[in-house]
Amino acid sequence: DIQMTQSPSSLSASEGDRVTIICRAGQNIGKNLNWYQQKPGKAPKVLIYGASKLQSGVPSRFTGSGSGAEFTLTISNLQPEDFATYYCQQNYSIPQTFGQGTKVDIK
Amino acid sequence: VQLQESGPGLVKPSETLSLTCSVSSDSISSYYWTWIRQPPGNGLEWIGNIYYIGSTNYNPSLKSRVLISMDTSRNQFSLELTSVTAADTAVYYCAREAPDCGGGSCYGRFDLWGQGTLVTVSS
Repeated sequence: DIQMTQSPSSLSASEGDRVTIICRAGQNIGKNLNWYQQKPGKAPKVLIYGASKLQSGVPSRFTGSGSGAEFTLTISNLQPEDFATYYCQQNYSIPQTFGQGTKVDIK
Repeated sequence: VQLQESGPGLVKPSETLSLTCSVSSDSISSYYWTWIRQPPGNGLEWIGNIYYIGSTNYNPSLKSRVLISMDTSRNQFSLELTSVTAADTAVYYCAREAPDCGGGSCYGRFDLWGQGTLVTVSS
């Protein structure tokens, strides 16, 4: 299995801040990396796929970058609705695996 | 297009967990259809998927206990997990994996999800 490691596990930020979450894969996965946002009691929602492609309907303040084994999700101008848990996920190989999550809460 | 999980919310240890995902407003005869679970307070675990032609992939950690099947006439796909224990207590999600192909590459993502259903394993 490809292990996905996110950092930090949690962070506190204020509205308007720029936030960066890192995801590292246990091996080269090319650009087969997706980012999801999950709010309590809700299913995850895809934000970024293919490492840097913005899912339709997702605000442009969400950007993804990286390739190979290190990836970044950046949220610019953090909005109240962005406080949530974020997961990276690789679909390079079976089994598909997720990072442990990064919880973004209000400072 | 909407996905909706259904099935028992309580299963006894050693018994079989059975869930169905109903897909509305779209044909199930395309895409990969996936089961993912999330133990309370924990992260996401990919269980497996089924392609519309019937081929399946499973997480090796569960492979000996999992069966995913599809009923195209009813636009549904199902999950069976045998010999359950308390460790199988989780919210179970069904999801669609849709590809975006271009420039010689295809990138899949889970673009549609059910609301999730909590299954508790307890006597």
